[in-house]
Amino acid sequence: TQLLEQSPQFLSIQEGENLTVYCNSSSVFSSLQWYRQEPGEGPVLLVTVVTGGEVKKLKRLTFQFGDARKDSSLHITAAQPGDTGLYLCAGRRSGGYQKVTFGIGTKLQVIP
Amino acid sequence: DSGVTQTPKHLITATGQRVTLRCSPRSGDLSVYWYQQSLDQGLQFLIQYYNGEERAKGNILERFSAQQFPDLHSELNLSSLELGDSALYFCASSVAPVTHEQYFGPGTRLTVT
Repeated sequence: TQLLEQSPQFLSIQEGENLTVYCNSSSVFSSLQWYRQEPGEGPVLLVTVVTGGEVKKLKRLTFQFGDARKDSSLHITAAQPGDTGLYLCAGRRSGGYQKVTFGIGTKLQVIP
Repeated sequence: DSGVTQTPKHLITATGQRVTLRCSPRSGDLSVYWYQQSLDQGLQFLIQYYNGEERAKGNILERFSAQQFPDLHSELNLSSLELGDSALYFCASSVAPVTHEQYFGPGTRLTVT
């Protein structure tokens, strides 16, 4: 069982559509990050959220941290082929030193 | 470009062999992390070093070991390789030992035949 569950695992949509992917856990996190990874490359950090209810925007991407800091969502508006990739969420649990744990990711394909 | 470098990019070797993967962190970063990524397991944390000292251990096998040198580069040694060790190995770095954000290198693809 993954500490961070991401859904859906796979998503294929047409260019211009909107989408939301989710990252859920039963644990509380002191911070949560979203990364995008393209095939054969390392994950690239997109955003970090640390406060419950926090919303951050990065161009057409909107990230939200749940009020209880147990979940997060990533919404993409008007998806572009360049958004194609593996979206990973990663969280650090509260309390002392805790390593960062990654979800298994959502594989997004945006078809032109 | 994250500023983290990893060598080699690809490595093909036989079962039972030993390999060394190398990582240079971003300039100024003191902490180095190693991850293994396979299709079915996702990104699994192996080990973290901070300023030369082991800081945290994850799902690292006894056949694997790592170290961080005084110049802050790190090496991951994999021995008695098995087919199941075939995976992408990533190194990441950060400034502080406990941080929200890590910067990943391009990875080493290891294929064990």
